[in-house]
Amino acid sequence: GESVGLHLPTLSVQEGDNSIINCAYSNSASDYFIWYKQESGKGPQFIIDIRSNMDKRQGQRVTVLLNKTVKHLSLQIAATQPGDSAVYFCAEVSTDSWGKLQFGAGTQVVVTP
Amino acid sequence: DAGITQSPRYKITETGRQVTLMCHQTWSHSYMFWYRQDLGHGLRLIYYSAAADITDKGEVPDGYVVSRSKTENFPLTLESATRSQTSVYFCASSEGEGPGLEKLFFGSGTQLSVL
Repeated sequence: GESVGLHLPTLSVQEGDNSIINCAYSNSASDYFIWYKQESGKGPQFIIDIRSNMDKRQGQRVTVLLNKTVKHLSLQIAATQPGDSAVYFCAEVSTDSWGKLQFGAGTQVVVTP
Repeated sequence: DAGITQSPRYKITETGRQVTLMCHQTWSHSYMFWYRQDLGHGLRLIYYSAAADITDKGEVPDGYVVSRSKTENFPLTLESATRSQTSVYFCASSEGEGPGLEKLFFGSGTQLSVL
């Protein structure tokens, strides 16, 4: 769902299922995208990145998909585990603002047994 | 490999007091950043620095001062703390501008409460 007021969108996933976290961006000049994971009480941690000349990039248990036509980014987590419970942020860098990341609001992922 | 460290981890202060949050990185990264994180606002950039002695404002710089006399340190000072500055503050660093160099590495954060 969309974020409303102070509440983060929440994705509840059963352990072992795949998770898909979505992110929309608005800047056509965005050239580089990163997904971060933030566990409670910790700083954001880099998960995976993708440049705008790619549609897909895979890491260990994670895949990022980029659809530039509709300005949409997604993070897929395979076989979700309890340790995947966290807030996930997408971030973008645009060619007119090199060096500075713009962060999305985040999605809370809750993994249930 | 210490990476990026912030201190203190927790700080309680009173309105009007000056507070300095410390940030130190061991990677010799060119860029350093200060963000604040508040419920409902996500991560907002306060100040950033592209190199020693070069700093620039971010999205929410009012009430904050930064300096960068050495590449590895980037302290953030609240000159006269206000309750609205109660937040979690994150320091981050990156190698710089260019393909893949903008990847940020974050510290563990400082939780600041202004009473």
